[in-house]
Amino acid sequence: RKEVEQDPGPFNVPEGATVAFNCTYSNSASQSFFWYRQDCRKEPKLLMSVYSSGNEDGRFTAQLNRASQYISLLIRDSKLSDSATYLCAVNGGSYQLTFGKGTKLSVIP
Amino acid sequence: DVKVTQSSRYLVKRTGEKVFLECVQDMDHENMFWYRQDPGLGLRLIYFSYDVKMKEKGDIPEGYSVSREKKERFSLILESASTNQTSMYLCASSLAGDNSPLHFGNGTRLTVT
Repeated sequence: RKEVEQDPGPFNVPEGATVAFNCTYSNSASQSFFWYRQDCRKEPKLLMSVYSSGNEDGRFTAQLNRASQYISLLIRDSKLSDSATYLCAVNGGSYQLTFGKGTKLSVIP
Repeated sequence: DVKVTQSSRYLVKRTGEKVFLECVQDMDHENMFWYRQDPGLGLRLIYFSYDVKMKEKGDIPEGYSVSREKKERFSLILESASTNQTSMYLCASSLAGDNSPLHFGNGTRLTVT
């Protein structure tokens, strides 16, 4: 089983829609979880950390489900500018973050 | 804001050349990392360092070495570049410990011909 898995998509959603991505991880000892956004040919940028209690930043909500070993990212009221690839990252211990391969989102007018 | 600067945005080198990729961060971060990113393979860790002069192998260290002589600078060295090292190289840094998020530089797109 791969360490961190994401549905590659693409997810094609209309403006204003709500979209959710999941990311599963295999290391039950993982303690830190993050979502990154990566635009085409650019570097990944930290979108948000994922806390045990869940967290929200504007239109974005991240949640952690330890029992089922996945994290999720919910985007409400999608904007054209949300089009990007979303990477999850999971701490595997020993300073290493393991990244998923990303989920591509296209928001269409 | 964290600033991670990579010395070159685009680089073209010939097979067999020795290649240096430089990365500097200005936030006094203890940890620094080198990843490569390839279509379909995602981000893969080459090497990382959690202190000056310390280095640890990542998932794909073969064909690479690193140097960290100063806290703010982490260099990736391709001893003898090969065409399969054509890739996007991303440097990142983070605070001490293993629970901090990474902050990436804007990447170096290396082409080996």
